[in-house]
Amino acid sequence: DAKTTQPTSMDCAEGRAANLPCNHSTISGNEYVYWYRQIHSQGPQYIIHGLKNNETNEMASLIITEDRKSSTLILPHATLRDTAVYYCIVRVSGGGADGLTFGKGTHLIIQP
Amino acid sequence: DSGVTQTPKHLITATGQRVTLRCSPRSGDLSVYWYQQSLDQGLQFLIQYYNGEERAKGNILERFSAQQFPDLHSELNLSSLELGDSALYFCASSTLMGGNTEAFFGQGTRLTVV
Repeated sequence: DAKTTQPTSMDCAEGRAANLPCNHSTISGNEYVYWYRQIHSQGPQYIIHGLKNNETNEMASLIITEDRKSSTLILPHATLRDTAVYYCIVRVSGGGADGLTFGKGTHLIIQP
Repeated sequence: DSGVTQTPKHLITATGQRVTLRCSPRSGDLSVYWYQQSLDQGLQFLIQYYNGEERAKGNILERFSAQQFPDLHSELNLSSLELGDSALYFCASSTLMGGNTEAFFGQGTRLTVV
């Protein structure tokens, strides 16, 4: 799986959009970009994933650059409950049998 | 609620002992993963089972073993416990074996070895 680089921490004001960047410059054509988050010692929670098109669900939007070397997770209206560590992960589709490889992630702090 | 159930939630035991952690995956999920999260190591993948068979191994110690039963629940056995085994242990499940599918995590078992 390709390596990802994320900022260690970020702040965002409550009610504003939180934009979390992720670099994955060595991503290969069959690797998906996944985002998970972990709220203080709880189990990680799946947010969204995509291959090359932008994706949106009820939690967030995922914007992947055309060259697929970076992506941005957008939480449109951040709340205090969105304070968590956010993990960007790339992994192979189809035959990949191993688990997710979590890095250090970005600690997002939503300020009131 | 992810639908993945882990028991017990907390476990305190002494060094040298053996414990069993249990995981019930989401209904219909065939793949089960075990992860360890300690303060200094982050989330580490241990092992994966798919429909009863071991499919992948990560950083799992020889003192640790796991299995998945016919009803698809899984158990992680930790033996000869050391202080350094104190950690959160998470189980996750997914529908498929490979990528393009999300994994759902349980709330974890907090193991404290004293």
